[in-house]
Amino acid sequence: KNEVEQSPQNLTAQEGEFITINCSYSVGISALHWLQQHPGGGIVSLFMLSSGKKKHGRLIATINIQEKHSSLHITASHPRDSAVYICAAWDSNYQLIWGAGTKLIIKP
Amino acid sequence: DAGVTQSPTHLIKTRGQQVTLRCSPISGHKSVSWYQQVLGQGPQFIFQYYEKEERGRGNFPDRFSARQFPNYSSELNVNALLLGDSALYLCASSLAGDNEQFFGPGTRLTVL
Repeated sequence: KNEVEQSPQNLTAQEGEFITINCSYSVGISALHWLQQHPGGGIVSLFMLSSGKKKHGRLIATINIQEKHSSLHITASHPRDSAVYICAAWDSNYQLIWGAGTKLIIKP
Repeated sequence: DAGVTQSPTHLIKTRGQQVTLRCSPISGHKSVSWYQQVLGQGPQFIFQYYEKEERGRGNFPDRFSARQFPNYSSELNVNALLLGDSALYLCASSLAGDNEQFFGPGTRLTVL
């Protein structure tokens, strides 16, 4: 069992839909990253959070430390949001433990 | 300000050769991490350096080594290349060890 698990693995939605990607972790963590990777490899950090909720534009990330669960939401999704979304957790050994990623496709 | 830079962008080597990949962090960042991403898979942690000291190491063989210089730039060395080392090698910098990471564009290594 992976220490960081994401769901769903693949998600296809229509433009405008509200998107939720979930992340559960079993390791003790100091913080959790949400990252975006586009085809071609570039990785962009979206959020790093250790409690509560963060918002940036149409993206919202929440974390529940007690339940060891985080979610990434995209409001009013757009085809340019199509990418792989990855959650990754910092463990106590300064290792970033990566989830397998969620491949999101937004159709116009 | 420049982001994280990596060189070279692409590299082709043959089995048994050695390779050195380079990374320059964002100015002011003291930590550099290296990741390997094989096609179709998620990134795997290789090393983290902070203040020129190795702080973390992933599950990679001793053929993989790295160092961090006084200006906080870093090199990743891979000896005795295998076909399975073909991957995208990503470097990320952060202010300290477990802060938000900022990624470079990666070096795509092909081993023939």
